[in-house]
Amino acid sequence: AIRMTQSPSSFSASTGDRVTITCRASQNINSYLAWYQQKPGKAPKLLIYAASTLQSGVPSRFSGSGSGTDFTLTISCLQSEDFATYYCQQYYSYPPLFGPGTKVDIK
Amino acid sequence: EVQLLESGGGLVQPGGSLRLSCAASGFTFSTYAVNWVRQAPGKGLEWVSTISGSGGNTYYADSVKGRFAISRDNSKNTLFLQMNSLRAEDTAVYYCAKGDPLTGTTLRNAFDIWGQGTMVTVSS
Repeated sequence: AIRMTQSPSSFSASTGDRVTITCRASQNINSYLAWYQQKPGKAPKLLIYAASTLQSGVPSRFSGSGSGTDFTLTISCLQSEDFATYYCQQYYSYPPLFGPGTKVDIK
Repeated sequence: EVQLLESGGGLVQPGGSLRLSCAASGFTFSTYAVNWVRQAPGKGLEWVSTISGSGGNTYYADSVKGRFAISRDNSKNTLFLQMNSLRAEDTAVYYCAKGDPLTGTTLRNAFDIWGQGTMVTVSS
């Protein structure tokens, strides 16, 4: 199985900050990488797929980059509604495992 | 509106069985792979199982293989998860999620639509 790691596991930030979350795959997954946002008590929401393609309706302050094994999710100007947990997921091969998550909370 | 609605969760004793359902609406259900993903209390997301649009291909996490069975009834736009030999570690919110082939391929894709989840508690 292709394992996913994320860093950091959590951090505090302020509204307006530029934040970056890193995701690493244990093997090459080309660009078969998705990012999800989850708020407490809610289902996950797809933000980015194919490593860098923004899902319809997702604000442009979210962006993704990377290919192969190393990927990043960037939020250019953090808004209050962005405080949440973010997960990456590889869908290059089965099992399509998720990363452990990165929790972004208010400083 | 594209929607998924899970049902069937509840409290069950260890070793017991439960059948989850996920009713789909707003899209041509039979043309999409669908998935089950679970989340234990306070933990991250865990992929459980995937079934192709026709139902001819199924995939399982090692943690549930041989105990859980995914199926679908395309005439009723409904996905199922039959869970047998349940263990305490199966306690979680179970989500159904639709795959979007535009994000990758028919069976290798991101999950663009999620249900609200149904809670399964395995305890004596």
